[in-house]
Order: sequence, then C-alpha cells, then structure tokens
Amino acid sequence: ETGVTQTPRHLVMGMTNKKSLKCEQHLGHNAMYWYKQSAKKPLELMFVYSLEERVENNSVPSRFSPECPNSSHLFLHLHTLQPEDSALYLCASSRPMATPYFGSGTRLTVV
Amino acid sequence: LAKTTQPISMDSYEGQEVNITCSHNNIATNDYITWYQQFPSQGPRFIIQGYKTKVTNEVASLFIPADRKSSTLSLPRVSLSDTAVYYCLVGPLNSGAGSYQLTFGKGTKLSVIP
Repeated sequence: ETGVTQTPRHLVMGMTNKKSLKCEQHLGHNAMYWYKQSAKKPLELMFVYSLEERVENNSVPSRFSPECPNSSHLFLHLHTLQPEDSALYLCASSRPMATPYFGSGTRLTVV
Repeated sequence: LAKTTQPISMDSYEGQEVNITCSHNNIATNDYITWYQQFPSQGPRFIIQGYKTKVTNEVASLFIPADRKSSTLSLPRVSLSDTAVYYCLVGPLNSGAGSYQLTFGKGTKLSVIP
C-alpha cells in the first residue's frame, strides 16, 4: 500500500454513460496526478494539480474532466467515452520536489 | 526532459543478480534518476532514486558513473516475485509548480525463471 487509494478498481461503462474515478491520499502531499496506461503503451501523463490548481493538461480530450476539491482528493469525470479510452487509469501524489507515489489504478473498459 | 533508453526485456534465473542499464545522454545538471517497478494491472512502485555515485536501499542499488550519462539498477538475488517492468526516469525534482512530472518510457520487462 502506497497510501494512494483509487476507487473503483474496475469499471465497465457504456459510451453514453457518465462515471467518475476517485483518488484519495492522506500523506500530506500537495500535488496530484492522473496518468493513463493503455495496452502496450507507456504511461501518459494526463493532468497535474499542484496546491489544488491545475498546472498541466496534456491535450486530453474534453470527455475527461478532472476535479481537485482539496489537496487530498482528485476525481476524473468521464462522459461519452470511446472504446479506445479503455485503459488503466492511475492516480499519483507527491510532496513538493519529491517523486510521486501511485495508486493501484482503475481498470476501465468502455463498451 | 532527458530521453532514456533501456533494454526492452531481460531474463534471469532465480537467485542471480540482475543489472538493468539505462542510458540518458542528455541528462541535465539538475536531473535526478528514478527507478520504478510495475506489476501487471498495478501502479508503478518507487524503487530507488539517485543523483550521482551509488545509492543503496533494502531493495536495490543504483550505480551512476561520474558523467551521469547512464545508470544501472542492480537487484540482488532476484526471485520469481521480481518479475515486473522496470522504468528508468530522469527529470528535475523542482519542475513545474512544486510537482514532479515524470515521463515514462516502455521500460524493461524482467522475467525471472525458476
């Protein structure tokens, strides 16, 4: 356990559904991240929040919408996804100038 | 961020020492070298980090030559449970607004054979 908890662990959703992924950490970290890992592809950084402000958005489609209500929680809201969005979505958190700790991820399948 | 190159895969027998080398010719002065381990369907797990010379912890050792253009992760006496993908990453700890934005490559898939 790294102290970064992601729920749900598995999610199957239709292309017209709206769902949210949740990430929680109580490590005192002030930066939180969303990564996407598709089959046989490297991890891709999607969003970065530092002190609850979004500091990075790597050309992610608008059907992915992050939310960081406080330094301990991070959400990824999903709507009208495509089958190619099926992947392992990983949350991570870090202290200032420190390496991130990752959660176990949410395995998302879009049908 | 500096680009890294590491072998796509490696095989090793149980009980052997495994050394995985990563090349990072364009490493910058303020870059650190970090290694992660990832099992299938799990998030990457931090293994070790260093700036120069040698770093050792309870899991691995990291050897960094003086020119810092490469680094070697050393896993002593591997077991079947060490079968995983190992990522080498290079970047400054002070990048961005207090965050450390890592760029992952394809990593090295280590297979430990009984």
